[in-house]
Amino acid sequence: GQQLNQSPQSMFIQEGEDVSMNCTSSSIFNTWLWYKQDPGEGPVLLIALYKAGELTSNGRLTAQFGITRKDSFLNISASIPSDVGIYFCAGPRGGSEKLVFGKGTKLTVNP
Amino acid sequence: GAVVSQHPSRVICKSGTSVKIECRSLDFQATTMFWYRQFPKQSLMLMATSNEGSKATYEQGVEKDKFLINHASLTLSTLTVTSAHPEDSSFYICSALSPGGGQPQHFGDGTRLSIL
Repeated sequence: GQQLNQSPQSMFIQEGEDVSMNCTSSSIFNTWLWYKQDPGEGPVLLIALYKAGELTSNGRLTAQFGITRKDSFLNISASIPSDVGIYFCAGPRGGSEKLVFGKGTKLTVNP
Repeated sequence: GAVVSQHPSRVICKSGTSVKIECRSLDFQATTMFWYRQFPKQSLMLMATSNEGSKATYEQGVEKDKFLINHASLTLSTLTVTSAHPEDSSFYICSALSPGGGQPQHFGDGTRLSIL
């Protein structure tokens, strides 16, 4: 089935640094979603991408839908302590609205 | 934006008990909702798709008689974990498609279920 390979698994950075994480698949996705999950809470949508090549920003976050439709990346600029959490990429399985999730990138920001 | 409310946020109960978790879409109708399970330090795994007015569809390996889903209205889906055992302890999260259907999915805050 469709799988999403998300990397890196974890990141430890200093406050103020930029962060980049990505998601790849052997299958084509028509939508890429990026979520953030804080401990004990549900995922919160950060950015949704619907078109190959699309580059979308949400504040300090920027995400791109790869031109091959098999990858996406998320960048966070000038990280702050509240950026700490687990970031997941997700995409709908072919022909359905069911989501498959990457394994997540755990971000730690040292003040 | 679309808000999904989940209740309760935490449940602790004895083995053998049945537990009901509610998922509500606030201010919008959700004909389709989804139930996920998340074990510690792992990703979200889809358990089932909840369809208003019809039977839920379950993912492979998920026991439909163990995890009962009812979607009786356009704003409420319930998941009942029947005769829960310690191995059912997990973080259960629901989601709904955006108003009008389609991505992205919006998630509830999750329910931490602990079976003693």
